[in-house]
Amino acid sequence: DTAVSQTPKYLVTQMGNDKSIKCEQNLGHDTMYWYKQDSKKFLKIMFSYNNKELIINETVPNRFSPKSPDKAHLNLHINSLELGDSAVYFCASSHFGTGQETQYFGPGTRLLVL
Amino acid sequence: AQSVTQLGSHVSVSEGALVLLRCNYSSSVPPYLFWYVQYPNQGLQLLLKYTSAATLVKGINGFEAEFKKSETSFHLTKPSAHMSDAAEYFCAVRGGYGGATNKLIFGTGTLLAVQP
Repeated sequence: DTAVSQTPKYLVTQMGNDKSIKCEQNLGHDTMYWYKQDSKKFLKIMFSYNNKELIINETVPNRFSPKSPDKAHLNLHINSLELGDSAVYFCASSHFGTGQETQYFGPGTRLLVL
Repeated sequence: AQSVTQLGSHVSVSEGALVLLRCNYSSSVPPYLFWYVQYPNQGLQLLLKYTSAATLVKGINGFEAEFKKSETSFHLTKPSAHMSDAAEYFCAVRGGYGGATNKLIFGTGTLLAVQP
């Protein structure tokens, strides 16, 4: 019955590799997000999709490419991984609205680039 | 621009003592403010939120927060700390209007330790 799920939970890979993280929500929300939490626990939004349309695209290297095949799924593909990409990546979802809406977070994907 | 400042990256209290976690915000639009909690190796869970209704907001697990516009603050309190409250706490503000409305701007977090 997990509301927002992410796979994989842990990802260890070498520099230069390409990897993907998947996210699914079963809350019936129309908006999904990717946040990055760095080693100092600082959280910053990366992307947001509303009804499969990209609505927020922060200053993120173009090695990061999100994709939303439908409202319930949001994936994140990362090309040519770098050491600095090591972080925890959180997916979240909410209803789209005025900014009052609660965002529900997944458990995170812990990415370690060696 | 929207921003949140959390004073005190680490707060330690004794079990049963008052918990006070500080959050000050800056917002160019009427603020919507959130407190989230993150337990070790888990995602974030909403504790409570202010959305321009009552200024005293009650949340889960006995937490509450008071919105004070004159002080641009939204401090989180709990009368009596429990060991299970040990976690990282994040204050956040909505990103603004238009396309930024639905993004959250987070503070740097406060790690709460509860001593027996």
